[in-house]
Amino acid sequence: AQSVTQLDSQVPVFEEAPVELRCNYSSSVSVYLFWYVQYPNQGLQLLLKYLSGSTLVKGINGFEAEFNKSQTSFHLRKPSVHISDTAEYFCAVSEWNTDKLIFGTGTRLQVFP
Amino acid sequence: NAGVTQTPKFQVLKTGQSMTLQCAQDMNHNSMYWYRQDPGMGLRLIYYSASEGTTDKGEVPNGYNVSRLNKREFSLRLESAAPSQTSVYFCASSERFDRTNSPLHFGNGTRLTVT
Repeated sequence: AQSVTQLDSQVPVFEEAPVELRCNYSSSVSVYLFWYVQYPNQGLQLLLKYLSGSTLVKGINGFEAEFNKSQTSFHLRKPSVHISDTAEYFCAVSEWNTDKLIFGTGTRLQVFP
Repeated sequence: NAGVTQTPKFQVLKTGQSMTLQCAQDMNHNSMYWYRQDPGMGLRLIYYSASEGTTDKGEVPNGYNVSRLNKREFSLRLESAAPSQTSVYFCASSERFDRTNSPLHFGNGTRLTVT
């Protein structure tokens, strides 16, 4: 059965520093991977997704993620964060042959000035 | 363009009371969903409607019912609220029931407290 793990519940970082939010998944079949972002008091919105092809995926607001099949990971990165990036970030996985989308528990990114 | 609109934004219920959470989308999407978000547990799917006229159970359907009133509206009903249903509820929609190419669009949530 598919599952997704976000090991870091909170990540504090200073403005303009790089950041990596970790996501690992478990599945016995091919998967599709997503990152969603939730700004305070709002719903989630899609940041980026990996379906196939290039393992480096670029999303909105300067974020990118790399699919690593051997390590079953899909870590989210940004080279220089802004205060406005403060939000909760959710990794999600969907197996290719199912209609299930499983969300991770979220990572709260806090950017300090 | 409003997107996905949920009402109410906040609600406090006593154990045993009932209520209906309303959701409407104006994007002509076919599929709609109800999720609950709890600390340390991420989002869990309660019910979904792949298309108008159909509804199906998700991961945590117990204690809830849904109605797909028309293509735009999808309501969630708690018949007898319990403290374990204290949560933030999100409605979402997607163009098709195909998560690979139809991203979810979420409402801003309803914060429900059951005392």
